[in-house]
Amino acid sequence: SSELTQDPAVSVALGQTVRITCQGDSLRSYYASWYQQKPGQAPVLVIYGKNNRPSGIPDRFSGSSSGNTASLTITGAQAEDEADYYCNSRGQRVVFGGGTKLTVL
Amino acid sequence: QVQLQQWGAGLLKPSETLSLTCAVYGGSFSGYYWSWIRQPPGKGLEWIGEINHSGSTNYNPSLKSRVTISVDTSKNQFSLKLSSVTAADTAVYYCARVVIRIYYYGSGNVWSNWFDPWGQGTLVTVSS
Repeated sequence: SSELTQDPAVSVALGQTVRITCQGDSLRSYYASWYQQKPGQAPVLVIYGKNNRPSGIPDRFSGSSSGNTASLTITGAQAEDEADYYCNSRGQRVVFGGGTKLTVL
Repeated sequence: QVQLQQWGAGLLKPSETLSLTCAVYGGSFSGYYWSWIRQPPGKGLEWIGEINHSGSTNYNPSLKSRVTISVDTSKNQFSLKLSSVTAADTAVYYCARVVIRIYYYGSGNVWSNWFDPWGQGTLVTVSS
């Protein structure tokens, strides 16, 4: 299957750590990339490759992968991290996960 | 720093053809794929397709029969045409640069693919 599955919603207390996961068969041979999208804005790349952050992305964002599951971890979540997060991979075709809405309490 | 700027008609009638163009500024045009992605209101991201500087394309199978992506290397631009639009094609359409890399490990290779940067997005509404 070329699909990627994400939990629709996750919440985290301010300053705590949260993990957002993405599952799919393509992740066995592809690293996921991760995007943050705030309302009314274009998505922004936050993690790519094995665990790389573009310039300007805080180091509280990290990525990992095991088997068919990729994870985005935010260590010490901030109020400004509240957003939708999408994973992406390229198996038989390019595909995005359904997105996870992160609420920072 | 690469920047993408996109434009095109924002209001279409059913059965018309959607047409958008994305210009690439400040970086290399060759060596990458260039992609279109859309997002219906309140929903997730859907990959439409991609093209490289040589004109090689890949399309989402669910849209392939209606999609044409083309490139103009003289202007560092690429374009999207989606024919026979319906209300289901109402979405914000984004252009983005695609980076594809392969990581070599002794136990096997792992690929990586990411979209960066993105254009500002264009809301296309299909309504009679």
